[in-house]
Amino acid sequence: GAGVSQTPSNKVTEKGKYVELRCDPISGHTALYWYRQSLGQGPEFLIYFQGTGAADDSGLPNDRFFAVRPEGSVSTLKIQRTERGDSAVYLCASSLTGFRLAGEDTQYFGPGTRLTVL
Amino acid sequence: ELKVEQNPLFLSMQEGKNYTIYCNYSTTSDRLYWYRQDPGKSLESLFVLLSNGAVKQEGRLMASLDTKARLSTLHITAAVHDLSATYFCAVADWETSGSRLTFGEGTQLTVNP
Repeated sequence: GAGVSQTPSNKVTEKGKYVELRCDPISGHTALYWYRQSLGQGPEFLIYFQGTGAADDSGLPNDRFFAVRPEGSVSTLKIQRTERGDSAVYLCASSLTGFRLAGEDTQYFGPGTRLTVL
Repeated sequence: ELKVEQNPLFLSMQEGKNYTIYCNYSTTSDRLYWYRQDPGKSLESLFVLLSNGAVKQEGRLMASLDTKARLSTLHITAAVHDLSATYFCAVADWETSGSRLTFGEGTQLTVNP
């Protein structure tokens, strides 16, 4: 079946601009996660959605970052007044439930959006 | 704060050899994940280990979990070039941070002919 998809695959923007990154999770997955991966590092958690609500947004670096998931499926990560330090690969993942008692509940990752801020 | 440490960070090995990658973590989590990442690609799930003593094998890779020692290992048997990739372990600290994953730095594996 279809996996997690993300658009665009690459985004180049100028410092100070606004960007939106989109994630389409696996159908039926209620849990959705955003991570950010810098070159040579492991992914770092940004935000977790359970259905439509943000269950944990403690990884968002500052108030320039915001994410929504209005219908409990597609999610959009929004970055205002982009800075060069925001350049990274933004990864989206989804899992069936996000709950501990759900067994393995593997997080499946999308291909990522490579954001470059000039 | 949950910390996940992998070693080695870089591993160059010859085809046919065996080696082990280690993942230490600082919490009492009972759930550990191993992922593979090829250059320029996303993460592919390899194993999910749910309990102390869990062992899983797929092809030339075998993963194990010791929750008391807070240690997981990824053992490579008779390496082949196709295994060249970066391998990440990740931990969910359910008690304090729910299902979010904390990743190690990754082990970049190169298998030479």
